[in-house]
Amino acid sequence: SQKIEQNSEALNIQEGKTATLTCNYTNYSPAYLQWYRQDPGRGPVFLLLIRENEKEKRKERLKVTFDTTLKQSLFHITASQPADSATYLCALDMENGNLIFGKGTKLSVKP
Amino acid sequence: GAGVSQSPRYKVAKRGQDVALRCDPISGHVSLFWYQQALGQGPEFLTYFQNEAQLDKSGLPSDRFFAERPEGSVSTLKIQRTQQEDSAVYLCASSPRGRPELAGARTGELFFGEGSRLTVL
Repeated sequence: SQKIEQNSEALNIQEGKTATLTCNYTNYSPAYLQWYRQDPGRGPVFLLLIRENEKEKRKERLKVTFDTTLKQSLFHITASQPADSATYLCALDMENGNLIFGKGTKLSVKP
Repeated sequence: GAGVSQSPRYKVAKRGQDVALRCDPISGHVSLFWYQQALGQGPEFLTYFQNEAQLDKSGLPSDRFFAERPEGSVSTLKIQRTQQEDSAVYLCASSPRGRPELAGARTGELFFGEGSRLTVL
């Protein structure tokens, strides 16, 4: 069956460290993968999109990798700040235009 | 505001009541999606509109769920005879692009509203 897994429900790190979140999928062949941020009581907000022929994408302190052989994406936040605390969702961009979301990882950055 | 607007933000219904949730997408956006998000879960796809056409309703959990977008802008998600398992946040999202097979372009990023939190007692 098709499945998307984000490595952990919660991740706690110290301010200034790099946060690494994992998204694994099975029985999908997405051409694109997206990452969203969701704050409590708010809708998801788009962060980054990476294509299957791109190994890595960067935006300010954010970096995303996409390994279609391993069926995995890694999402990094460098020099993390308490304001980065939120739930991060990975989403597979399907050929029919739908996005299939993972459950999310709740990141807490402690000062 | 130029974002996606949803109303009501909070709705409490007694089991068996009908509810209607409204979504105002970003002006000019072709695609409109409805997602359901249970507590602690990721959003789950319900249905998709391209302009006024409902092209995909495969995610609607039962025939009690109905969505429309009659003029290709505002959309309404209606839930009839609500049940406790319908309690969730209902998210609306829009995109300026249509489906690949029609528009020749990927849907790309979605712009989400703040959601409507439905509690069924």
